[in-house]
Amino acid sequence: DTAVSQTPKYLVTQMGNDKSIKCEQNLGHDTMYWYKQDSKKFLKIMFSYNNKELIINETVPNRFSPKSPDKAHLNLHINSLELGDSAVYFCASSQGRQGSYEQYFGPGTRLTVT
Amino acid sequence: AQSVTQLDSQVPVFEEAPVELRCNYSSSVSVYLFWYVQYPNQGLQLLLKYLSGSTLVKGINGFEAEFNKSQTSFHLRKPSVHISDTAEYFCAVSELNNDMRFGAGTRLTVKP
Repeated sequence: DTAVSQTPKYLVTQMGNDKSIKCEQNLGHDTMYWYKQDSKKFLKIMFSYNNKELIINETVPNRFSPKSPDKAHLNLHINSLELGDSAVYFCASSQGRQGSYEQYFGPGTRLTVT
Repeated sequence: AQSVTQLDSQVPVFEEAPVELRCNYSSSVSVYLFWYVQYPNQGLQLLLKYLSGSTLVKGINGFEAEFNKSQTSFHLRKPSVHISDTAEYFCAVSELNNDMRFGAGTRLTVKP
């Protein structure tokens, strides 16, 4: 069983479109995250959700909005896509927000904006 | 807030040679330290972690790391690498109630 899954794996779209990426974890974890990895492999945290409450938002444009229908899901919705949004987006989860908990990552979604 | 620096962006090494990937962190409080590996076109997976206790931590695939508080370092080592170890390696640090911060990554390339 896949612990953290994301769909789709690849997403190619045009500027100005709206798209969503879905994430599900079957680990029973309380906290979920979204990361953006750029072409130089730098990982930037975008959001974290703990028990359905948004905890952090690291200077991410408000075109990005996380939506959590339940504890096992954290979807990422992006409005008005721009060229600079092209990246690999990773979902992750952890048992809780305590710093000692490791994070489990999904396989990533490669977003290409043309 | 905590931060982490990976001193080498790329490390090329021959197969069966030893390797060390360097990581330094900055924090004013106690920290937890992690190493993750990312194989091509995959997500990150945990190699090892230091939470407390023994400063030498052993992980998967023959990797180990040593926590050095005075040097604020957590370097990753392997005595003999394989071609299959070619990947991106990330050091990460967290504090008790803060989210994890990742380094910029080190690209390990193992050559035959």
